[in-house]
Amino acid sequence: AQSVTQPDIHITVSEGASLELRCNYSYGATPYLFWYVQSPGQGLQLLLKYFSGDTLVQGIKGFEAEFKRSQSSFNLRKPSVHWSDAAEYFCAVGTGTASKLTFGTGTRLQVTL
Amino acid sequence: GAGVSQSPSNKVTEKGKDVELRCDPISGHTALYWYRQSLGQGLEFLIYFQGNSAPDKSGLPSDRFSAERTGGSVSTLTIQRTQQEDSAVYLCASSSLAASTDTQYFGPGTRLTVL
Repeated sequence: AQSVTQPDIHITVSEGASLELRCNYSYGATPYLFWYVQSPGQGLQLLLKYFSGDTLVQGIKGFEAEFKRSQSSFNLRKPSVHWSDAAEYFCAVGTGTASKLTFGTGTRLQVTL
Repeated sequence: GAGVSQSPSNKVTEKGKDVELRCDPISGHTALYWYRQSLGQGLEFLIYFQGNSAPDKSGLPSDRFSAERTGGSVSTLTIQRTQQEDSAVYLCASSSLAASTDTQYFGPGTRLTVL
């Protein structure tokens, strides 16, 4: 069965600083990888997704993620964080045979001014 | 509608009562998913529907949980004889294709509190 690990429960960065959120997955075949963001009281919004091809994926709100098969990782990055980026971020993996997503436990991002 | 909608947004019930949670998917989306988000368990898959196929119920935690999807659109998640451990946010999502390459769009969720 597939699994996702987000090792950082909580991260604090200063506005304008760069950000990297870690995600490691476990799956025997080619994974389909997603990053979602959840603001307080809101549903999940898709930031970006990776299925195949270019391993560097661009998403909304200036986010990008890089798929590294050798490290089983799909880390999310942003060069300059804005206060409005404060939220909880979830990495998820989907499989080719079932549509359900397996989520990591999430990373809560706090942005200081 | 423009997005996935869920009702009610909040539900408080007493232990042992039955509750029904509703999800309206994005118009034209054939796949519908239910997930549960709780403090102890994170985000867990519950059930998914695709068109007229039999639903994948593999994530339902007990036989107190059931779901149906009428007319290929609206879905209702029913929890019978609620327990305190059922307290969570129940999220619904829909997508246009039942393939992992398709994006799942999530609703705002229903926060269930069992007293």
